[in-house]
Amino acid sequence: EAEVAQSPRYKITEKSQAVAFWCDPISGHATLYWYRQILGQGPELLVQFQDESVVDDSQLPKDRFSAERLKGVDSTLKIQPAELGDSAMYLCASSLYRGGNTEAFFGQGTRLTVV
Amino acid sequence: GQNIDQPTEMTATEGAIVQINCTYQTSGFNGLFWYQQHAGEAPTFLSYNVLDGLEEKGRFSSFLSRSKGYSYLLLKELQMKDSASYLCAVRVLQTGANNLFFGTGTRLTVIP
Repeated sequence: EAEVAQSPRYKITEKSQAVAFWCDPISGHATLYWYRQILGQGPELLVQFQDESVVDDSQLPKDRFSAERLKGVDSTLKIQPAELGDSAMYLCASSLYRGGNTEAFFGQGTRLTVV
Repeated sequence: GQNIDQPTEMTATEGAIVQINCTYQTSGFNGLFWYQQHAGEAPTFLSYNVLDGLEEKGRFSSFLSRSKGYSYLLLKELQMKDSASYLCAVRVLQTGANNLFFGTGTRLTVIP
């Protein structure tokens, strides 16, 4: 069964360091989302791509976060510099059609701990 | 912005029925999803409603009233493995793209 792949599963980094997460969506899925989930809360949308284009990054803290999906397939989310408050689960999700008009499938996530 | 409310925690007995409510206030509503999330794992899709009414899928059913901004997830014949968080998510059409916004989740504990 096709899955959304994310790596690494776990990451510990010191504050002020740079960190990057990778996501490979289900093959053929046009829409890709990055979410941040703090323990005990629901996922918070950071950025949405349709193919290689950003369609919504209004909730992305652009002073330290960046995201790209250069060829419209896999994607990278970067944080530089990391802060203690960035400790969370970072979830990637994809959906089949442009515009996200189907359910989103989630990857296993990357749990980030900033120390 | 989007306002999605659901209870923080619920407890129910194995074999019983439980209803998890979700209310929302949003513009550009374009569907409502329910996801299940076990601790430390990714959310998995349970159900989808875009029109008013009840959608049934095995032990799980979901209801939507668009006029009331209200949905519920009904779980029947509860099993211990149903202990998880249940996330209500609203799809919103914004500037030509659909975004998916989540509530804080309801942590369900099933007891023997």
